[in-house]
Amino acid sequence: EPEVTQTPSHQVTQMGQEVILRCVPISNHLYFYWYRQILGQKVEFLVSFYNNEISEKSEIFDDQFSVERPDGSNFTLKIRSTKLEDSAMYFCASREGRIGELFFGEGSRLTVL
Amino acid sequence: QQQVKQSPQSLIVQKGGISIINCAYENTAFDYFPWYQQFPGKGPALLIAIRPDVSEKKEGRFTISFNKSAKQFSLHIMDSQPGDSATYFCAASKEYGGATNKLIFGTGTLLAVQP
Repeated sequence: EPEVTQTPSHQVTQMGQEVILRCVPISNHLYFYWYRQILGQKVEFLVSFYNNEISEKSEIFDDQFSVERPDGSNFTLKIRSTKLEDSAMYFCASREGRIGELFFGEGSRLTVL
Repeated sequence: QQQVKQSPQSLIVQKGGISIINCAYENTAFDYFPWYQQFPGKGPALLIAIRPDVSEKKEGRFTISFNKSAKQFSLHIMDSQPGDSATYFCAASKEYGGATNKLIFGTGTLLAVQP
């Protein structure tokens, strides 16, 4: 069964460092998302991406965040200068079309020290 | 207006019992209401979803009841099993209209089914 894959599964970084989280969405999917989940809290929308551009971003997604689809398969989330409060599980998700099931990856746990 | 409120925060049910989780929303533009199941260390996975043209949808032991006028929907798990122990999130989105079909999640319910 096709799945969304994410790497790394866990990353520990120092405050102020840059982090790149990588995702390989399901191959025929066209809509891509990043969500985050702070430990024990709800899943929050960060950004959506379609046709090589950001469709929508939340207030969480400030200038420290960026997304990119550098080739035909990868979808990355970059945090330029990490803060303690960026510690969370980051989920990549993809969808074939604008509507329908949204498939999530298993997440990348980011710990900022 | 974008919030989805979910209750209870946690739920303990005996094996074979019925688990009921409730959600409420404010934005009448929402037109898609999925429930996601999340096991520890895993991503959320779609369990069942409903659109407001029907008041109930059943898939196996899982049923969504939808009350459009009250802006509420609920998940019922019949004959709950220990393997159902997980965190359940309701969500809502505007499939049509808006910049993107993003999901707004509820706060989650940690379900424990005791053997």
